[in-house]
Amino acid sequence: SAVISQKPSRDICQRGTSLTIQCQVDSQVTMMFWYRQQPGQSLTLIATANQGSEATYESGFVIDKFPISRPNLTFSTLTVSNMSPEDSSIYLCSVEGQSKTEAFFGQGTRLTVV
Amino acid sequence: AQSVTQLDSQVPVFEEAPVELRCNYSSSVSVYLFWYVQYPNQGLQLLLKYLSGSTLVKGINGFEAEFNKSQTSFHLRKPSVHISDTAEYFCAVTPNNNDMRFGAGTRLTVKP
Repeated sequence: SAVISQKPSRDICQRGTSLTIQCQVDSQVTMMFWYRQQPGQSLTLIATANQGSEATYESGFVIDKFPISRPNLTFSTLTVSNMSPEDSSIYLCSVEGQSKTEAFFGQGTRLTVV
Repeated sequence: AQSVTQLDSQVPVFEEAPVELRCNYSSSVSVYLFWYVQYPNQGLQLLLKYLSGSTLVKGINGFEAEFNKSQTSFHLRKPSVHISDTAEYFCAVTPNNNDMRFGAGTRLTVKP
């Protein structure tokens, strides 16, 4: 299994500001993913963080709003830019396991925008 | 594309009673199936997965699930629940683990 650390665990931010969420994995992984979980809802994939190239975004998510970095095989960041209250969600980092048949998740970052 | 339907948004049960959380999926290709649990203020933890082989899959914490291809279902069961099983449960499907789709979740509440 992979151990994933996410920072911060929670934050309250002013609208119009940006927040960068960090995801650190205890082993090298090929695939890293960022999900959003809006209040009372399921997980929605935001993007796949690719090492050495631009992230691959899902429909409805754009790089200007959710820029992602992946400088190496153990670390990624997701920035939520120009935040509004609608961005209040839990943001989760996920990695593919070595067996490539399961995904592991971080604890999540609970973001509240006021 | 794949999709997942969890038929029950909330399931209240009494402690030591059996429980079944329902999950149906649709896909035009073969898929892997998963159940994850999310305890309050925590991330997701894998309960069990179906990749191939035996259709009855046993997971952690006494949970099991049965893959039924003809009914495109992957229902989660536990014969006797505990208070500590109170959590949100998510069914997920993927053809290759790069495009995992989650159901809406089922909130299991175990009452004393």
